[in-house]
Amino acid sequence: DTAVSQTPKYLVTQMGNDKSIKCEQNLGHDTMYWYKQDSKKFLKIMFSYNNKELIINETVPNRFSPKSPDKAHLNLHINSLELGDSAVYFCASRDPSGGYTFGSGTRLTVV
Amino acid sequence: GQQLNQSPQSMFIQEGEDVSMNCTSSSIFNTWLWYKQDPGEGPVLLIALYKAGELTSNGRLTAQFGITRKDSFLNISASIPSDVGIYFCAGRNTNAGKSTFGDGTTLTVKP
Repeated sequence: DTAVSQTPKYLVTQMGNDKSIKCEQNLGHDTMYWYKQDSKKFLKIMFSYNNKELIINETVPNRFSPKSPDKAHLNLHINSLELGDSAVYFCASRDPSGGYTFGSGTRLTVV
Repeated sequence: GQQLNQSPQSMFIQEGEDVSMNCTSSSIFNTWLWYKQDPGEGPVLLIALYKAGELTSNGRLTAQFGITRKDSFLNISASIPSDVGIYFCAGRNTNAGKSTFGDGTTLTVKP
């Protein structure tokens, strides 16, 4: 049973489209994150939610909107996709001692 | 904001060799974490360190939390081909809500 699962694994879409990535964790953790990993492999935090409440929003364009219907789910919706949005997006949840469990990533390619 | 410098950026070693990589910060952390990312997967937590001076092992991996709380290192002994991947350090302070990641060390092991 996958601890943090993201869907889809791959997403290829045209510029200007709107797309969503879903994330679910079955670890019972309160805090979840979205990270973006660019072509140079840098991991940049985008958002963090704690028990459905947004606690971190790191200078991300308004086109990105996270939604957490409950503490086990954190989805990411992206409007008006741009070429520069192409990257791998990772969802993660955090255990009480601070360690993260990451999903296997969603590779987004905007063409 | 806090910056983490991870070195070296990449390493090419022969199977059986020992590996050492480190991470330094411009400010202190009270938790250091080391992750490994395999191709096409999300980072996986290897070792977590919670106390200055702490030395912790996980199989052939050993990590230390620097006394100044501004650095950490990871050693891998007797490397094997499956050690290939990207190793990330991350620092965290309890009330910060997020971990700051280093830029990664890409390890290649030649059989």
